[in-house]
Amino acid sequence: QVQLQESGPGLVKPSQTLSLTCTVSGGSISSGSYYWSWIRQPAGKGLEWIGRIYTSGSTNYNPSLKSRVTISVDTSKNQFSLKLSSVTAADTAVYYCARDFGYYGSGSYVGAFDIWGQGTMVTVSS
Amino acid sequence: SSELTQDPAVSVALGQTVRITCQGDSLRSYYASWYQQKPGQAPVLVIYGKNNRPSGIPDRFSGSSSGNTASLTITGAQAEDEADYYCNSRDSSGNHLGVFGGGTKLTVL
Repeated sequence: QVQLQESGPGLVKPSQTLSLTCTVSGGSISSGSYYWSWIRQPAGKGLEWIGRIYTSGSTNYNPSLKSRVTISVDTSKNQFSLKLSSVTAADTAVYYCARDFGYYGSGSYVGAFDIWGQGTMVTVSS
Repeated sequence: SSELTQDPAVSVALGQTVRITCQGDSLRSYYASWYQQKPGQAPVLVIYGKNNRPSGIPDRFSGSSSGNTASLTITGAQAEDEADYYCNSRDSSGNHLGVFGGGTKLTVL
């Protein structure tokens, strides 16, 4: 079955760029009509969707983060990546990657994140 | 509006039925999906679409929707259902951007 695993530095200095990679195993990142998303969760707080990418390279970002976020995909490595620039302490969180699907059904749009990575903690501190 | 509103906390007696709700304008056009998150673990999808359960999710979990409100119902709550529950939908921009509710802490008494 498909599994996702996040990797990257656990500590990033303020003003620098946070870089994470999600490796997809057990299946091809290019198979099926899936998007691939990044989601984060500060300690003790709720989930925040960061953005997504399709294997064609098409991206969508959370408007609140759009100016600082870049998501890319490397289909040859079965990976997709997140870059978040100019980080501050407010970006300290557990970062999850997730498989993201959507379709129209029963008159409305159906979307969900059906497979998640285990998450990786990123701390922004000098 | 792209906001989803959930009650911060709900409690239920063991074996009883509990409904967790999620309100937002986008729910008039988009189905909600629901996630269970236990401490130190990644969220798990429990309900999506009109009322679909992924493989492995007990049938005591069900979903429904009316107007701008989506609901997750647990019929016969078990101790292991104690967790945080998040709803998720897409915003109304037309790009299906993701948006989460603030989460509901479910306590099983």
